[in-house]
Amino acid sequence: TQLLEQSPQFLSIQEGENLTVYCNSSSVFSSLQWYRQEPGEGPVLLVTVVTGGEVKKLKRLTFQFGDARKDSSLHITAAQPGDTGLYLCAGAGEVDSWGKLQFGAGTQVVVTP
Amino acid sequence: DAGVIQSPRHEVTEMGQEVTLRCKPISGHNSLFWYRQTMMRGLELLIYFNNNVPIDDSGMPEDRFSAKMPNASFSTLKIQPSEPRDSAVYFCASSLGLGLALEQYFGPGTRLTVT
Repeated sequence: TQLLEQSPQFLSIQEGENLTVYCNSSSVFSSLQWYRQEPGEGPVLLVTVVTGGEVKKLKRLTFQFGDARKDSSLHITAAQPGDTGLYLCAGAGEVDSWGKLQFGAGTQVVVTP
Repeated sequence: DAGVIQSPRHEVTEMGQEVTLRCKPISGHNSLFWYRQTMMRGLELLIYFNNNVPIDDSGMPEDRFSAKMPNASFSTLKIQPSEPRDSAVYFCASSLGLGLALEQYFGPGTRLTVT
């Protein structure tokens, strides 16, 4: 089993501040996805990265995949209360298990006005 | 598009009873996944299907758990007999297939409480 460790577990910040969430593993992943989950709902995909060193930007969110494809980070600039949620990273292994995502435990982000 | 539909949204049952959770995937999606989420263990994959065929059920915790997908538009997850430790939120998700980097679309979940 490939384990994904997320840090920190919980993050509380004021509106307008920046934050970074990390996702680390000792294993190599074919791809890594970030999902956001709000209370009472299922996770929703934010981004997928597949190439080592890849950087993707989604408005105020910046996602990076490590060069060795073992880690990833999510950076939010000027956080807003709407960014509040549980952020989950999920990795896919070898070609015969691409559909079998391994999820991290998540980082709970709370942005207060 | 209605998205992934799960029923019931909430289920409260007594220990020893049979529980059946239902899922309707997004039309046209060929792969279906059942997950369980708890505070202690996070989001765990239980089983997944491709073209209605179970591909990997290694995440199913015990023989008390079983899942079926009789057709492309319906799947069930059954727990018999249920135990208090089965209390969790159960999610169903679907995707176009099992290709690399395909998005999984999650349903709203079924919150199961076993007393």
